[in-house]
Amino acid sequence: GAVVSQHPSWVICKSGTSVKIECRSLDFQATTMFWYRQFPKQSLMLMATSNEGSKATYEQGVEKDKFLINHASLTLSTLTVTSAHPEDSSFYICSVQPGLPSYEQYFGPGTRLTVT
Amino acid sequence: GESVGLHLPTLSVQEGDNSIINCAYSNSASDYFIWYKQESGKGPQFIIDIRSNMDKRQGQRVTVLLNKTVKHLSLQIAATQPGDSAVYFCAVPGWASGGSYIPTFGRGTSLIVHP
Repeated sequence: GAVVSQHPSWVICKSGTSVKIECRSLDFQATTMFWYRQFPKQSLMLMATSNEGSKATYEQGVEKDKFLINHASLTLSTLTVTSAHPEDSSFYICSVQPGLPSYEQYFGPGTRLTVT
Repeated sequence: GESVGLHLPTLSVQEGDNSIINCAYSNSASDYFIWYKQESGKGPQFIIDIRSNMDKRQGQRVTVLLNKTVKHLSLQIAATQPGDSAVYFCAVPGWASGGSYIPTFGRGTSLIVHP
């Protein structure tokens, strides 16, 4: 399977500031990576598909100007939460999908964002 | 879109007992199903999957049963251990806006194992 890391594992920021979360695919070159968010006691919700060398594709209802995604290399995607507000506090998880024949995804350990 | 739900939000069992976690899905055309385990503060971890041409698949201490007639699947964990305490999600692949075919997660069942 693929190994995915995230940094930081947790971050606290003040309302109005921006915070960047990194997702690294350590042993797999990922042209596509995925970003999810998860509120407490809820399921994972896909936010966007991160595409290496091109713009990310956002799911309906996700503000692309607020959640900036950059996928500059085959091993790194970043999610920047701009002008963060307390309602952005959540658990952010990235994943990679090595591909067929399995649709299995490999997830990072997640980043806990708290906006005060 | 795909609707994937779980019957019980919380399941409490005694160590050593067998656990059964249920999941219902809505799309009869779904052909692939995945179970994930998510421990507190961590990302989901793949447990086992099953394709629609199978009724049952076994792994190490886990068995997944698929009933396509009633669109239901279950995850059975034998001899449940404290380390099995986690949230369990069933997931069915669907199409993301970016064109990838990726799992859509259900609500999750929290399994609590009492020693």
